Amino acid sequence: GENVEQHPSTLSVQEGDSAVIKCTYSDSASNYFPWYKQELGKRPQLIIDIRSNVGEKKDQRIAVTLNKTAKHFSLHITETQPEDSAVYFCAAPPSGADGLTFGKGTHLIIQP
Amino acid sequence: KAGVTQTPRYLIKTRGQQVTLSCSPISGHRSVSWYQQTPGQGLQFLFEYFSETQRNKGNFPGRFSGRQFSNSRSEMNVSTLELGDSALYLCASSTQGAGLTEAFFGQGTRLTVV
Repeated sequence: GENVEQHPSTLSVQEGDSAVIKCTYSDSASNYFPWYKQELGKRPQLIIDIRSNVGEKKDQRIAVTLNKTAKHFSLHITETQPEDSAVYFCAAPPSGADGLTFGKGTHLIIQP
Repeated sequence: KAGVTQTPRYLIKTRGQQVTLSCSPISGHRSVSWYQQTPGQGLQFLFEYFSETQRNKGNFPGRFSGRQFSNSRSEMNVSTLELGDSALYLCASSTQGAGLTEAFFGQGTRLTVV
């Protein structure tokens, strides 16, 4: 099955700085890589996703990059704001099956 | 359009009992997947259903089971509850499957086993 490793587990950045969260996956056949944001006491929500035929995708201050050869993908948040404080999860599906294997999560803290 | 609805929101059960959780997906979504969330293990995949068929199952004991009805609503059942089953149980619905298209999560059912 798929194994997803996520680093770091906690990330503290100054407001306005950039944040980068990295994930690696084990199944080379995986082809869909979503990122979810979960605020305290709330449900996870998709913030961006990328498919294996694309190397990078941007949506305003958020971007995701994918390196299929190295089997890793990263989330980049620029000009961080207080509302970016949350836990972020990367995920990947197992090949030939559905559902999502999640990383352990990164607690992003934005310092004022 | 109504979101994903899970009932009940909170449950307290005793060891050895069984419990059934319900998930109503977004209208038109045929895929429902279930996850267990705990502080130590994070989000772990339980199983996924599409058009009443279980397509995949995570690494959980047979005490965890589920089903999906013809209207796409899904239920999961946990029998012979253990203290370690205390967790937030989340379901997610999507059009084609969480591993293919955006998955929308419910607010979860908080299960406490005492």
